Amino acid sequence: KQEVTQIPAALSVPEGENLVLNCSFTDSAIYNLQWFRQDPGKGLTSLLLIQSSQREQTSGRLNASLDKSSGRSTLYIAASQPGDSATYLCAVISGNTPLVFGKGTRLSVIA
Amino acid sequence: DAGVIQSPRHEVTEMGQEVTLRCKPISGHNSLFWYRQTMMRGLELLIYFNNNVPIDDSGMPEDRFSAKMPNASFSTLKIQPSEPRDSAVYFCASSLGQTGLKNIQYFGAGTRLSVL
Repeated sequence: KQEVTQIPAALSVPEGENLVLNCSFTDSAIYNLQWFRQDPGKGLTSLLLIQSSQREQTSGRLNASLDKSSGRSTLYIAASQPGDSATYLCAVISGNTPLVFGKGTRLSVIA
Repeated sequence: DAGVIQSPRHEVTEMGQEVTLRCKPISGHNSLFWYRQTMMRGLELLIYFNNNVPIDDSGMPEDRFSAKMPNASFSTLKIQPSEPRDSAVYFCASSLGQTGLKNIQYFGAGTRLSVL
């Protein structure tokens, strides 16, 4: 059974700092991995999707990498801003199962 | 498109009552998912549909939970009878399909359910 873990559970950084969020999964036979953002009281917004054949995806200040063999992904946020404050969730698809989510990392960017 | 639309946004009910949550997926999307989110367990998949057909309901916690998708533009999640432990935020999501970039799921704003 696929399990997804995100560390740390919470992170607080000063504005302007570069940061890395970590995601690990137990079954490396995945089809793709997605990073989502969730604002308080809101639904999830898809940020990046990395297919199993890819190693990274970039969108603006965000860069997500995937290392299937080690069962890890990282989300890199450059030059963090207070507007980046949210919970970031990692999710994977493997086998015939749809997304399995981690519990997320709650990010606070302090102005 | 207005995105995935869920109603109601908030529901407060008493234990034992029937609760019906509603979802309108994005037009043209063939897959629909129901999730439950709690602090303790995070985001859990309850059930998903492809082309209106339930594919996997193994995440539905008990027989008190049921979901239907009578057509491509509407789905319901029903809890009968409701219990306090059902209190959570319930999300609906839809996607174009199941492969490659079609996997990208778009989430509704959720229904916050409180069972007293």
